[in-house]
Amino acid sequence: GIQVEQSPPDLILQEGANSTLRCNFSDSVNNLQWFHQNPWGQLINLFYIPSGTKQNGRLSATTVATERYSLLYISSSQTTDSGVYFCAVDLLEYGNKLVFGAGTILRVKS
Amino acid sequence: GAGVSQSPRYKVAKRGQDVALRCDPISGHVSLFWYQQALGQGPEFLTYFQNEAQLDKSGLPSDRFFAERPEGSVSTLKIQRTQQEDSAVYLCASSLRGTDIYEQYFGPGTRLTVT
Repeated sequence: GIQVEQSPPDLILQEGANSTLRCNFSDSVNNLQWFHQNPWGQLINLFYIPSGTKQNGRLSATTVATERYSLLYISSSQTTDSGVYFCAVDLLEYGNKLVFGAGTILRVKS
Repeated sequence: GAGVSQSPRYKVAKRGQDVALRCDPISGHVSLFWYQQALGQGPEFLTYFQNEAQLDKSGLPSDRFFAERPEGSVSTLKIQRTQQEDSAVYLCASSLRGTDIYEQYFGPGTRLTVT
């Protein structure tokens, strides 16, 4: 099946710093989503981005489908950005079920 | 509008008990998914419905797990004779199929602890 690898596994930032999270996947995908799982366990949709670039406030994401990777950029980080960031992909022929990476644990210190 | 809701939020069961977990998807969403998230890991697929039809149950770990969506809206995930290894967070997601966009939206999850 498709493999999804995220890096780095852990990241500690000082408030105000910028960061880049990476997601590599092993096959062509129909859909790619980035999520933030907050300390209460809720998965919050950040981006639906099977290809191209999108921006939402301090966050932006780029997916290069032909090279099978996606990047999530966080600028001017805040303590509320702490949590786990997941990348998830699906293949249309698998009924759109999402396959998740292991996540990146982000801690932002004040 | 209202998001995906799940109940109960927390469930403690003694080993061997049966449990039922409920999911209310976003109104109008055709597709519904169940995922299981073990501590420190990403969610893993369990099963998928399109309307009332269960199209994929390849992720259900054993025949003790059963899911239904009889009217194409609310879904119930049932676990019979719970075991300690069933302890996890169970997440429900829904999406609006029928367009080219298949973005999934998740509920808050049910944390199941089997003692």
